[in-house]
Amino acid sequence: DAGVTQSPTHLIKTRGQQVTLRCSPKSGHDTVSWYQQALGQGPQFIFQYYEEEERQRGNFPDRFSGHQFPNYSSELNVNALLLGDSALYLCASSLDLDTQYFGPGTRLTVL
Amino acid sequence: KQEVTQIPAALSVPEGENLVLNCSFTDSAIYNLQWFRQDPGKGLTSLLLIQSSQREQTSGRLNASLDKSSGRSTLYIAASQPGDSATYLCAAFYGGSQGNLIFGKGTKLSVKP
Repeated sequence: DAGVTQSPTHLIKTRGQQVTLRCSPKSGHDTVSWYQQALGQGPQFIFQYYEEEERQRGNFPDRFSGHQFPNYSSELNVNALLLGDSALYLCASSLDLDTQYFGPGTRLTVL
Repeated sequence: KQEVTQIPAALSVPEGENLVLNCSFTDSAIYNLQWFRQDPGKGLTSLLLIQSSQREQTSGRLNASLDKSSGRSTLYIAASQPGDSATYLCAAFYGGSQGNLIFGKGTKLSVKP
């Protein structure tokens, strides 16, 4: 079992651009949650997808959007990037509301 | 508002010492609490998960306790080693319709040889 995988590992963008991050859940998991971790901070919840629908959302602007595919993989899209969007983006998968397993993260740098 | 706080923010100890990391949460209606380890620039590694019905969990040199009534959890590390150096995060899960984890800011541990 490959566990939770995320791509890409690192990404550099400029302000105003758009970015898409990808996550493949652990085998057998149907729920994907996304978190943003700024330097020196704990992860902050962005949103959670279940059955291809956004089930819950944290306190993030509409520039942050997502999608879940029939195979349960997920994408996080961020539009109109700001310098403050620079962070480690973590994906976690679970079987519905059971224990969440985290991927290695994608490091996004916005210049 | 549900919040998780970790004290201290940073800790430096000599190798071999036993140490305790603290985590407090404002809402005692917790479903479970999880401790994670994070190495610099890396993802989260789950260390221990304590259900609300449990008082403690142990894994090797690690022991985590949970006291719902006081809103506190502790992570005890015995005989610390330089390889234990990392940031330790605790996260509260409330379940129900709330599927997200609520994290503290972490404690950065440095174990000196």
